[in-house]
Amino acid sequence: KQEVTQIPAALSVPEGENLVLNCSFTDSAIYNLQWFRQDPGKGLTSLLLIQSSQREQTSGRLNASLDKSSGRSTLYIAASQPGDSATYLCAVSNYGGATNKLIFGTGTLLAVQP
Amino acid sequence: DVKVTQSSRYLVKRTGEKVFLECVQDMDHENMFWYRQDPGLGLRLIYFSYDVKMKEKGDIPEGYSVSREKKERFSLILESASTNQTSMYLCASSLYAVGVGGSGETQYFGPGTRLLVL
Repeated sequence: KQEVTQIPAALSVPEGENLVLNCSFTDSAIYNLQWFRQDPGKGLTSLLLIQSSQREQTSGRLNASLDKSSGRSTLYIAASQPGDSATYLCAVSNYGGATNKLIFGTGTLLAVQP
Repeated sequence: DVKVTQSSRYLVKRTGEKVFLECVQDMDHENMFWYRQDPGLGLRLIYFSYDVKMKEKGDIPEGYSVSREKKERFSLILESASTNQTSMYLCASSLYAVGVGGSGETQYFGPGTRLLVL
């Protein structure tokens, strides 16, 4: 059974720092991995999707890497800003028998202090 | 831009009431999903639909049903609401089904409905 873990559960950094969020998964047979952002009390916004054949994806100040064999992904945020404060979730796309589905981690709550 | 809307941001219902949560997407997506999100448990899939009138159970379908009569609309129904169904409910849609393995798998989420059952 696929399990997705995100460490740390919460992180506080001063504005301007570069930071790394971690995601690990137990079953390396994934189709892809997605990173989402969730603001308090709101829905999820897709940030990056990395296909299983890719090693990384970049969008602006965000860079996500994928090491499928070790079951790990990282989300790198450069020059963090207070507006980056949110919960970041990773999810893997996994074959689950009769039901293909996304399996989510429980997220990392990021606070960027001005 | 993909837009997914949900009928209510907040709902308060009584135990035993029938509750309808509506979700509409405007991008002609084939696939639609209902999740619930609870502290410490993350997002869990309740039901999904890959076509009109088609549905599949997710991880926690008990106590819920769904309806998809039109491609753009996916409804979640709580037949008899109970206090343990108090939660944040999130709807999502995607162009391709999970497992196809491409960027079309990206799921776009609505703003969520926070349901309180008293």
